Amino acid sequence: DAGVTQSPTHLIKTRGQQVTLRCSPKSGHDTVSWYQQALGQGPQFIFQYYEEEERQRGNFPDRFSGHQFPNYSSELNVNALLLGDSALYLCASSFRDGGHTYEQYFGPGTRLTVT
Amino acid sequence: SQQGEEDPQALSIQEGENATMNCSYKTSINNLQWYRQNSGRGLVHLILIRSNEREKHSGRLRVTLDTSKKSSSLLITASRAADTASYFCATVLSSGSARQLTFGSGTQLTVLP
Repeated sequence: DAGVTQSPTHLIKTRGQQVTLRCSPKSGHDTVSWYQQALGQGPQFIFQYYEEEERQRGNFPDRFSGHQFPNYSSELNVNALLLGDSALYLCASSFRDGGHTYEQYFGPGTRLTVT
Repeated sequence: SQQGEEDPQALSIQEGENATMNCSYKTSINNLQWYRQNSGRGLVHLILIRSNEREKHSGRLRVTLDTSKKSSSLLITASRAADTASYFCATVLSSGSARQLTFGSGTQLTVLP
């Protein structure tokens, strides 16, 4: 059973460019969350997708957008890249069963460097 | 902003010793979770403790939760070199249906052989 997968592993972009990161959730999971982790910091919540809609959003500008597909996989798009967007981007999946299970499974992350 | 704050920021111990990390948070929570991260890779879920629980064990891990003090501690007993990693606490708030995790800034644990 494959866990959460993310692609690409590493990415180097130039200021002003746009980037798309991809995530496939763990089998059986229907909810995907994205986090940004700057060097030496804890992850910061960007947004969460469920049933192909953004359900919750953290304190990130509109340059950050996402999408969830019918197979539950997800994309994170960042437009007009800034140097400060350099970070490890983590995807986490979970199952939204209406109960009280909040355990999230994280992928290995995508390391984005903006030059 | 980050809900949880870990203490200490860095901890260095000898193999076989116990390691204790603390986490404080600001608002009411539904549950608190601890994660481990090796060298900037993905996070590994260690343990979840609900707001109505006071202590939980998993192998060499022991977590306590004091909701009156809004604090939690993670104890790793008989540490091994492989335990070297960053450890984060993360909270899920009790209000609304939000299931986002709010992380602290982490404790860097180094276990010396």
